[in-house]
Amino acid sequence: AQSVSQHNHHVILSEAASLELGCNYSYGGTVNLFWYVQYPGQHLQLLLKYFSGDPLVKGIKGFEAEFIKSKFSFNLRKPSVQWSDTAEYFCAVNKGSGTYKYIFGTGTRLKVLA
Amino acid sequence: EAGVTQFPSHSVIEKGQTVTLRCDPISGHDNLYWYRRVMGKEIKFLLHFVKESKQDESGMPNNRFLAERTGGTYSTLKVQPAELEDSGVYFCASSQDGGSVYGYTFGSGTRLTVV
Repeated sequence: AQSVSQHNHHVILSEAASLELGCNYSYGGTVNLFWYVQYPGQHLQLLLKYFSGDPLVKGIKGFEAEFIKSKFSFNLRKPSVQWSDTAEYFCAVNKGSGTYKYIFGTGTRLKVLA
Repeated sequence: EAGVTQFPSHSVIEKGQTVTLRCDPISGHDNLYWYRRVMGKEIKFLLHFVKESKQDESGMPNNRFLAERTGGTYSTLKVQPAELEDSGVYFCASSQDGGSVYGYTFGSGTRLTVV
């Protein structure tokens, strides 16, 4: 069965530190890839997405992710985190055409210390 | 535009009772999804509506769960009778294109606790 792995369940960083959250998926075909974020008390929001083209995608709030097909990875990065980035981050995979459901990872809780 | 609205935000019920969750998608979004997150685990797909039709209900855990989408507008998810393992956060999402290009718009979720 397809799965999505997020290796870091809890991450604590100080402001201005760099961030990289890992995401690996186990499906060998064409995929669409997403990162969603849930800030405390809010709904899940789309941070960025990849479905074709440049494997380095830029999202909102200074986040970016790189799709490495050979590694089945879609890691999320931010050069300098802020206290307001404290949230839970979810990687998700969609198998592309023919199906619309997402397979989510277990999420990574990020806490940024001011 | 108004977002996806879910009601109630929290529900605490006893084992064996019935609970109905409601989701109002963004107007004009034909695609509506239900997902569930059990504590500490991944968010799992339950089912997908296109308008009023169930496109994919492969994630529904068992026949205690019944989802409907009357007239292709709002949707309800009924759990009857509820069991302890049904506790979790139930998310609804909608999309205009199926989610593969534009992604989903999620509601804030309903936290269901079965005691």
